[in-house]
Amino acid sequence: QLQLQESGPGLVRPSETLSLICTVSGGSISTRTYYWDWIRQSPGKGLEWIGSLYNSVNSYYNPSLKSRVTMSVDTSKNQFSLNLSSVTAADTAVYYCGRHQYGVWSVDYWGQGALVTVSS
Amino acid sequence: QSALTQPASVSGSPGQSITISCTGTIIGNYNLVSWYQHHPGKAPKLMIYENNKWPSGVSNRFSGSKSGDTASLTISGLQGEDEADYYCCSYGGVSTLVFGGGTKLTVL
Repeated sequence: QLQLQESGPGLVRPSETLSLICTVSGGSISTRTYYWDWIRQSPGKGLEWIGSLYNSVNSYYNPSLKSRVTMSVDTSKNQFSLNLSSVTAADTAVYYCGRHQYGVWSVDYWGQGALVTVSS
Repeated sequence: QSALTQPASVSGSPGQSITISCTGTIIGNYNLVSWYQHHPGKAPKLMIYENNKWPSGVSNRFSGSKSGDTASLTISGLQGEDEADYYCCSYGGVSTLVFGGGTKLTVL
């Protein structure tokens, strides 16, 4: 059974970079069938797609966040990561990692989520 | 990204059926709408994919449909455990995903 688990600091200062890691177990992150996703939910708001990685090198980002987002993969650790720079209070959210299948475009596995608060 | 519009809330009594709509031009462009159930504090759960298909283990009380620019999620035989937030999501082109604003379902 595939499992995803987010990890990273729960508190980030304004203007700094938010960094999260998603560890995948029960399956290989190198499988070319899947995209690996980051999705967030700000307090009182809905789900927002942040971006996806495919085939370890191709990245796709939400246009509204593109200038601040970087995603990467560490195949040796079966992990992928999210970096969001120049954060503000508006970036306070629960961050989820997930997976969707190429051509299907539905997130079938999700992590439990990690709350990240941006505050000084 | 193009927007997907959902009603903010819907409600129904146990045993009844409810329908949640999701409207946006990208729905009409692509045949790839999924629906998620989200209980607070838990991970979202995929309920419907590719407009009307069920993932393994999802009750057939949940059904999806699409017509033009609008997709719909229908829940029949409402149960208390169905009370949650529901989100539609569509392929947005160029390997992107777009989520709707979410609908809060209250079981009366």
